[in-house]
Amino acid sequence: DVKVTQSSRYLVKRTGEKVFLECVQDMDHENMFWYRQDPGLGLRLIYFSYDVKMKEKGDIPEGYSVSREKKERFSLILESASTNQTSMYLCASESNYGYTFGSGTRLTVV
Amino acid sequence: DQQVKQNSPSLSVQEGRISILNCDYTNSMFDYFLWYKKYPAEGPTFLISISSIKDKNEDGRFTVFLNKSAKHLSLHIVPSQPGDSAVYFCAASGGGGTSYGKLTFGQGTILTVHP
Repeated sequence: DVKVTQSSRYLVKRTGEKVFLECVQDMDHENMFWYRQDPGLGLRLIYFSYDVKMKEKGDIPEGYSVSREKKERFSLILESASTNQTSMYLCASESNYGYTFGSGTRLTVV
Repeated sequence: DQQVKQNSPSLSVQEGRISILNCDYTNSMFDYFLWYKKYPAEGPTFLISISSIKDKNEDGRFTVFLNKSAKHLSLHIVPSQPGDSAVYFCAASGGGGTSYGKLTFGQGTILTVHP
C-alpha cells in the first residue's frame, strides 16, 4: 500500500511566522499535491508537482510556495502565516486509484 | 467558480436504508469521477470511481451512477451502516489544460447513519 506521511498532525504558529509542512510518499510517484480543506468549501488545490523541481499553481496559491527537491518529498511553505491560513492541510500522491492522501495537518495561526 | 458541486451539506439515514449522495459538475471536459470518504482527523480515502464511458460502476454496497447529459453523478450505499458515517467528497478530473492528474473536489456531504 502507498503510504503518504505528513510530518505533523497539529501545529500552532504565530502570525508572520514562516511555516513548513512536510509530506513524504514511499511509492516513487511523480505527481504530488497540496490541498486545504475548509468547511463548506471542500478541498481546494494549492500547488502540485509532477516531477522533481517542477511545480504548478493550483486554484489558491496566494501566500504559499512549494519545494520538491527529491521525488518522495513535497513541502508546502507559508512564507508569512496569517490567520486566514488556519485550515486542515492535506498532501496527496497520485496512484492508480486517484490520490492517496496523508492524514492531514491541522494548522492554527494565532 | 465551483466546477464540482455537492449541494447537500448533510444527509441523515437510518441503518439498513439506502444513502444517496449527489454531485453535479459544469465542466464537460471532465472524463473521470471519483468518490472519497473522510473520517475526522484522517485523510480522505478512495471509495469508488467511474469513467465517462460508463454510466454505472458497482463495488459491493457502493454504486456510482453517471448521467453525462445532466452532468450529474450519484453514489448509492445499500444497505447503509453506522460505520459509513463520514464526509463524502465527489471529485472529477480531465478538465483540460496542462494539468495532469489534477482533481477538482466538491464541498463534501456529511453522511450520518443512525442505528
